[in-house]
Amino acid sequence: AQRVTQPEKLLSVFKGAPVELKCNYSYSGSPELFWYVQYSRQRLQLLLRHISRESIKGFTADLNKGETSFHLKKPFAQEEDSAMYYCALSFSSGSRLTFGEGTQLTVNP
Amino acid sequence: SQTIHQWPATLVQPVGSPLSLECTVEGTSNPNLYWYRQAAGRGLQLLFYSVGIGQISSEVPQNLSASRPQDRQFILSSKKLLLSDSGFYLCAWSDSGVPQHFGDGTRLSIL
Repeated sequence: AQRVTQPEKLLSVFKGAPVELKCNYSYSGSPELFWYVQYSRQRLQLLLRHISRESIKGFTADLNKGETSFHLKKPFAQEEDSAMYYCALSFSSGSRLTFGEGTQLTVNP
Repeated sequence: SQTIHQWPATLVQPVGSPLSLECTVEGTSNPNLYWYRQAAGRGLQLLFYSVGIGQISSEVPQNLSASRPQDRQFILSSKKLLLSDSGFYLCAWSDSGVPQHFGDGTRLSIL
């Protein structure tokens, strides 16, 4: 069965430092992977998807099939990046998403 | 612009009582609609999704059901709530497969 693991429930960095939110998955096929974000007092929203190979708000994520990982990275964290981040995997048409438990990122001034 | 409304925000219900959570979307047509649940300490779990009126796919067999009586209305129901139904319920919609926009959620507590 497919599974998404975010090993860190809490992650704290200082402003300007690099940040990496880890995500590992288990799935035998070819998955699609996504990152969702929820800022304080805001709704959960889609941040980026691996097939787009895009950079959103300075964040990037590369799918590493060998390591079955999809880590979210940003070279210089900002205070406004503080939020809850969820990694998610889709193994079919996209309607079925499996979410990780989330990582709460805090960027300190 | 598109908006999604979900209510109520908080609900406390006794065991065995019925449930009805409603979600409506504005500003789009024929969206994919989703119901998710987040139990304490766990990730989001897909409960139901719908690609059109009257079309409901159930992901997890359980005490809940969903209906889509109108294009932009998605209802989560139960005839008799269990203690294990407690959790945080999120409605979401998309126009291209994966959920893109989420509601504010409903915190359901079963006593």
